[in-house]
This record gives sequence, C-alpha cells and structure tokens, in this order.
Amino acid sequence: NAGVTQTPKFQVLKTGQSMTLQCAQDMNHNSMYWYRQDPGMGLRLIYYSASEGTTDKGEVPNGYNVSRLNKREFSLRLESAAPSQTSVYFCASSDPYQGFTGNEQFFGPGTRLTVL
Amino acid sequence: GNSVTQMEGPVTLSEEAFLTINCTYTATGYPSLFWYVQYPGEGLQLLLKATKADDKGSNKGFEATYRKETTSFHLEKGSVQVSDSAVYFCALSENSSASKIIFGSGTRLSIRP
Repeated sequence: NAGVTQTPKFQVLKTGQSMTLQCAQDMNHNSMYWYRQDPGMGLRLIYYSASEGTTDKGEVPNGYNVSRLNKREFSLRLESAAPSQTSVYFCASSDPYQGFTGNEQFFGPGTRLTVL
Repeated sequence: GNSVTQMEGPVTLSEEAFLTINCTYTATGYPSLFWYVQYPGEGLQLLLKATKADDKGSNKGFEATYRKETTSFHLEKGSVQVSDSAVYFCALSENSSASKIIFGSGTRLSIRP
C-alpha cells in the first residue's frame, strides 16, 4: 500500500496563476483532509470531506476550493494564487468506521508551494 | 472551542538526556489525544495515542498519559537519541464520525551527539 500520495512535491507559481494539488489514498478511507503548515502555526485545516460527495470548510478556506472526485481522490485548487498562500500543504485521510482508532489520520508527504 | 497548547521550542538536549514536552488541551466531551512526529522534509506520522482517560500511549521509547484531571498529555522519553530530532505535535480529536484533528503549534527538538 502506498498510503497517501500527493502531487506535485514542489511548485512555484506567480501571483494570479491557478493550480490544483492532487491527493489520493489507497486505504479505503471515507474521510479526507487538506491542511496548510506555516512556521510557528502548526497545521491548519483548509477543507475536509467526511465522505464521498461531501465537502466542508475548515479553519482557513478562503482562496481555495476542493473536489472529492471519488472515494480515493481529493484535490485542492487555488484559483488565483497569492503570496500569502506560500506554504506546505498536506493531505490526510482517516476512517472512524475501520475499527476504533480514535480518528487517527494518515498523512501524505506534502507539497511545498511558493507564490511569487 | 477545542484547543491544544504545547510548549514552545526549540528544545535542545544532549544524547541520552530525559525529554519532556508539555501539552495541555481544552475540549468538551471525551477527545482522543495524539502525538505526531514530523521528520525533516516529511509528512506527519502518528507516534502514539490515547483514547480515554488514564490510558498510556507508548511507541519507540516515548510515552504519554491521558490525564483528564489536569487536561494534559505530556510526552516523555527516558533517553533521547540523535535520531529523535524532529518536530513533535500534540493533537486532539473529538470522538465522532469524520471528526477533525486540532493540532498544537509543534515543538522542534534537536539532540546533540
């Protein structure tokens, strides 16, 4: 099992450009999440998807959109990138119905995004 | 709302020293508690967890006990190694379906040989 995979690993954008970050998991998890990590601020939740076909805003959704394409894939789109979106983005998945794991989340390796 | 507070870093120790990283939480109900570790250039990995009061999570020589009376989940290790250098995150999750995890701000640990 690959676990959670993310593409690309690195990306540099100019202000105003758009891009989509891809995430896929092969653990048959129902729930998926997108976080951003900034120095000194831990991880902040951008959007999450409790199950296929549903998405909800997290703590910092402005400037982002998401699509839960199917059970495996959850993409994050920046329509018009801004320098404030320079960050490391992590995708995660979990499934509280696969035994009682206390909602443990499994993380991808991250995408390092720089917006100039 | 729910929140997690952990000690600020960076923390620098010599090899074989004793480690404590403090973590306290605020939550309604009965959350699960986690410690995640992030090695340089990698994503977060679950280090240990506890799902109810008085549970002790342990892994790779690290331990943490879920203390409801003090709302704490401090991370300890008796003898740290250089390979333990990483960023450590305390986190909590409400025990409900598809619930979110709330992370502390992270503590960077550096171990000197």
